[in-house]
Amino acid sequence: QVQLVESGGGVVQPGKSLRLSCAASGFTFSRYGMHWVRQAPGKGLEWLAVISYDGRNEYYGDSVKGRFTISRDNSKNTLYLQINSLGPEDTAVYYCAKQPYGGPLDNWGQGTLVTVSS
Amino acid sequence: DIVMSQSPDSLAVSLGERATINCKSSQSVLYSSNNKHFLAWYQKKPGQPPKLLIYWASTRDSGVPDRFSGSGSGTDFTLTISSLQAEDVAVYYCQQYYSTSWTFGQGTKVEIK
Repeated sequence: QVQLVESGGGVVQPGKSLRLSCAASGFTFSRYGMHWVRQAPGKGLEWLAVISYDGRNEYYGDSVKGRFTISRDNSKNTLYLQINSLGPEDTAVYYCAKQPYGGPLDNWGQGTLVTVSS
Repeated sequence: DIVMSQSPDSLAVSLGERATINCKSSQSVLYSSNNKHFLAWYQKKPGQPPKLLIYWASTRDSGVPDRFSGSGSGTDFTLTISSLQAEDVAVYYCQQYYSTSWTFGQGTKVEIK
């Protein structure tokens, strides 16, 4: 069965950087687009970024463009999200999700919590 | 970016009654080459990841109870829960996957009256 397991979250000081990981199993990772979505406490879902199956194309939400970088290693079945210059507004649960070609997000990880605090 | 607007922000429905959630996109999400609306609905419960309910505006995902249905076209879409069950208490989100920058609606909280 499809499994997506995020890691790398924790308490981070403002201004620092963080890299989140998403380990995928149960499907052919290299055939699917992959996304990051977050939910801040008490807020709605915010789409962050997508990377194509082969890593050649990336797109970002306006609020994170230039500060977040999505990447993947198909040899390791792992998705990444590099977050720079963390601020309190980045406190959220971060989810990775799988996208079949042209379709919606059909499988999600359980999420990893990032708390930005001094 | 395509802006997704949901209404209402919250609603309370009696068990067994119908719940209706609306979603409006700021521009069409219809892809003319395949005549499909790139519109999905997700259910989000506290402490759980979002769950895909509906895609292509009206196709139920595998295993989703048939009391959930999606409809609409162009820029106006609806999620209907025909007979609300206790386990349906959640926040529901519409999402467009038409553009390269995806967007969610703000969410609609469904509670039991």
